[in-house]
Amino acid sequence: GESVGLHLPTLSVQEGDNSIINCAYSNSASDYFIWYKQESGKGPQFIIDIRSNMDKRQGQRVTVLLNKTVKHLSLQIAATQPGDSAVYFCAENIRNTGNQFYFGTGTSLTVIP
Amino acid sequence: NAGVTQTPKFRILKIGQSMTLQCTQDMNHNYMYWYRQDPGMGLKLIYYSVGAGITDKGEVPNGYNVSRSTTEDFPLRLELAAPSQTSVYFCASSYFRPGLAGGDTQYFGPGTRLTVL
Repeated sequence: GESVGLHLPTLSVQEGDNSIINCAYSNSASDYFIWYKQESGKGPQFIIDIRSNMDKRQGQRVTVLLNKTVKHLSLQIAATQPGDSAVYFCAENIRNTGNQFYFGTGTSLTVIP
Repeated sequence: NAGVTQTPKFRILKIGQSMTLQCTQDMNHNYMYWYRQDPGMGLKLIYYSVGAGITDKGEVPNGYNVSRSTTEDFPLRLELAAPSQTSVYFCASSYFRPGLAGGDTQYFGPGTRLTVL
């Protein structure tokens, strides 16, 4: 399988601060990426996606940055709230491999009130 | 809409037993997927289907079988359960292949926690 890894397995932030979660990938043919949020005991929930022809994409309080040169993407969460506490996964899709999505191992985000 | 539903929520099997994990979606989605998630790990694709009557292997298909006789249902069959199949199983669905239609996403069910002893 593909190597989709996360730099830090756990992250603790104070409520109101910004959070940055990182993800590395190894295949230069990866052309689509998704960030998921998974709360305890639940299935993953889509947060935001980005195609390889973009460097940045913004959603509500979230921004994904893609650096194809170093094969790295990050998820930035602004004004982190207690409800943001969860495990965050990045997933990649490789061009011409159809429906295979490769998931990273996840980063556990804890928001300290 | 109920979204993606999975049954059962929990199950304990003995080695060598068989079972079927049920997955149903009411969103008229073409694509359906089965993933497994081992403790502390990301999801791995077991099988997927792009429509009724069509299935294909994912990254870790060994020990599993699937069928897609209707748009709504995508059951996962475990034959001869082994301890290595202890995991949480997630079913997901999407209308198109994620990314193809610009922002379409996979919708996940709540998962089935399976233990094989």
